[in-house]
Amino acid sequence: AQKVTQAQTEISVVEKEDVTLDCVYETRDTTYYLFWYKQPPSGELVFLIRRNSFDEQNEISGRYSWNFQKSTSSFNFTITASQVVDSAVYFCAQHPVYNDMRFGAGTRLTVKP
Amino acid sequence: DSGVTQTPKHLITATGQRVTLRCSPRSGDLSVYWYQQSLDQGLQFLIQYYNGEERAKGNILERFSAQQFPDLHSELNLSSLELGDSALYFCASSVVSDPPYEQYFGPGTRLTVT
Repeated sequence: AQKVTQAQTEISVVEKEDVTLDCVYETRDTTYYLFWYKQPPSGELVFLIRRNSFDEQNEISGRYSWNFQKSTSSFNFTITASQVVDSAVYFCAQHPVYNDMRFGAGTRLTVKP
Repeated sequence: DSGVTQTPKHLITATGQRVTLRCSPRSGDLSVYWYQQSLDQGLQFLIQYYNGEERAKGNILERFSAQQFPDLHSELNLSSLELGDSALYFCASSVVSDPPYEQYFGPGTRLTVT
């Protein structure tokens, strides 16, 4: 069965701390895509990254980085030097090629000044 | 701004009623998706259309239906509404359907059923 687990329901950090959001997925598919989305207090879902199952290279985009480890079915997201504007709910999602996208339950990140 | 528009932003209606939610995808996107976000169920995929044709169905109730028009805008119809249908309904669009590309989400329609 296809399932995405974000075990951390809520995380609270102080500004400038680094924080890692965990994502573990279950799938029988060999080809699939992984995503992270951010949902700020305004409510809209904002796309952050897309990664296919054959590309295990880590990615860095500014203060954001992603670590994909197929061996452990994990796709973790790290924010370096967090800022108050990073406060949001973050969703990890998995999308097999011939199935629909499944989201994790989300992790609410609060960054305090 | 994702480029996906949804109307209305808020909707308050009574049980038993029928409502229509509207979505316009980003320019050039052929695929439209509908999602429901509620506190107990999280983000659930409802249905997908690609260039006017239904492509995939998720956890969509029989009381709900959708369509995508020739101009690519989409409507989600919710009928015989129940209290449990109160949720945030998102529309998303992507360039193509296969392989899965990033989906760009609209601001959502908050539906309250009283």
